[in-house]
Amino acid sequence: DTAVSQTPKYLVTQMGNDKSIKCEQNLGHDTMYWYKQDSKKFLKIMFSYNNKELIINETVPNRFSPKSPDKAHLNLHINSLELGDSAVYFCASSTRGLSEQFFGPGTRLTVL
Amino acid sequence: AQSVTQPDIHITVSEGASLELRCNYSYGATPYLFWYVQSPGQGLQLLLKYFSGDTLVQGIKGFEAEFKRSQSSFNLRKPSVHWSDAAEYFCAVGEGGSYIPTFGRGTSLIVHP
Repeated sequence: DTAVSQTPKYLVTQMGNDKSIKCEQNLGHDTMYWYKQDSKKFLKIMFSYNNKELIINETVPNRFSPKSPDKAHLNLHINSLELGDSAVYFCASSTRGLSEQFFGPGTRLTVL
Repeated sequence: AQSVTQPDIHITVSEGASLELRCNYSYGATPYLFWYVQSPGQGLQLLLKYFSGDTLVQGIKGFEAEFKRSQSSFNLRKPSVHWSDAAEYFCAVGEGGSYIPTFGRGTSLIVHP
């Protein structure tokens, strides 16, 4: 009964390809997030959705497009992958407003 | 805007020794404060949080943290470290009404046998 799950766990691909990462939470939370963690462990917020609506969209290349089909899912699609996109991507969820976040296990993306 | 400083990139302790990880924040009002732990290859897990009330908060795995407004600090402590505590520790601060906490850059804890 995983709380926040992500697929795939590992993703290795070539530059220029398009890829997607899926996230699902079974906690009944209203808010979901995507974070990027670089090689130095720095965590950067990318997007946040509340009840399927985009509420936070940080300075992220428009090659990255989130999509929330329903409250329990938040997917991340990346077009034209670049070497600098290599990182670990974390999905997280929380109740409305600032509260504890529950993180998924992460997706390690490697762009060759 | 709020900010978080974790001044130590790495901390090395011996198993059984006490531990203190430092966290300083910059925020005008009373912040919401969090400590998360990230074990190798895993996502982040909440250790403890402070929103209001008692300034000494207890968390999971034997951790505690103390909110000191005068020092703008929220240091994490554990009296006796276990080898399984080796991980990355993140302090985060947020403000009421915001959805997004600001994370520090993390402190890597190394535990020697």
